[in-house]
Amino acid sequence: EAGVAQSPRYKIIEKRQSVAFWCNPISGHATLYWYQQILGQGPKLLIQFQNNGVVDDSQLPKDRFSAERLKGVDSTLKIQPAKLEDSAVYLCASSLVRLPEQFFGPGTRLTVL
Amino acid sequence: AQSVSQHNHHVILSEAASLELGCNYSYGGTVNLFWYVQYPGQHLQLLLKYFSGDPLVKGIKGFEAEFIKSKFSFNLRKPSVQWSDTAEYFCAASSFNAGNMLTFGGGTRLMVKP
Repeated sequence: EAGVAQSPRYKIIEKRQSVAFWCNPISGHATLYWYQQILGQGPKLLIQFQNNGVVDDSQLPKDRFSAERLKGVDSTLKIQPAKLEDSAVYLCASSLVRLPEQFFGPGTRLTVL
Repeated sequence: AQSVSQHNHHVILSEAASLELGCNYSYGGTVNLFWYVQYPGQHLQLLLKYFSGDPLVKGIKGFEAEFIKSKFSFNLRKPSVQWSDTAEYFCAASSFNAGNMLTFGGGTRLMVKP
């Protein structure tokens, strides 16, 4: 079974630029999560989707971050404009509906200069 | 508010030593508990999970954890560590009532000396 796919794996941008990350969950997993993991900290949830609807985005800095999952499968997370403090690994995870176990992708490491 | 705390940020052990990593959680209602491991350069992998039933759960690679409800704890143990266990370990919790969203602890970086 293929795992959660993410791209790119690494991205370096300058502050105030825009960046987008892509995630393709495990086939059949209706629930998709985006987490931000700052160096030295545990992952922090940004947004949760179920199919193409947002379940929770209370931790998403909506002035600069946006996410979508238009067809209920893959998802894109965007940052516009980026700040230095956005440097982190962005993790995507997926799960079956109403089941607690999440499967994580390899992450995208973002460096903002 | 839901929270997870890990007491040890860095642990250094010699091979064959026993390991115990502490984890405490603050959650209302029924809680699901997890330990994830992140080996250098790799992504998060599930070590073990507790949903209900026997409070002593066994995971991969000889790890186990014990859920002690009265102490709000879910400590990770391994009787004899190996050099290959060098990694960062994250405790996490979720609840169905909170949409199964994971709250992670700050992580414990384990270094095993050969």
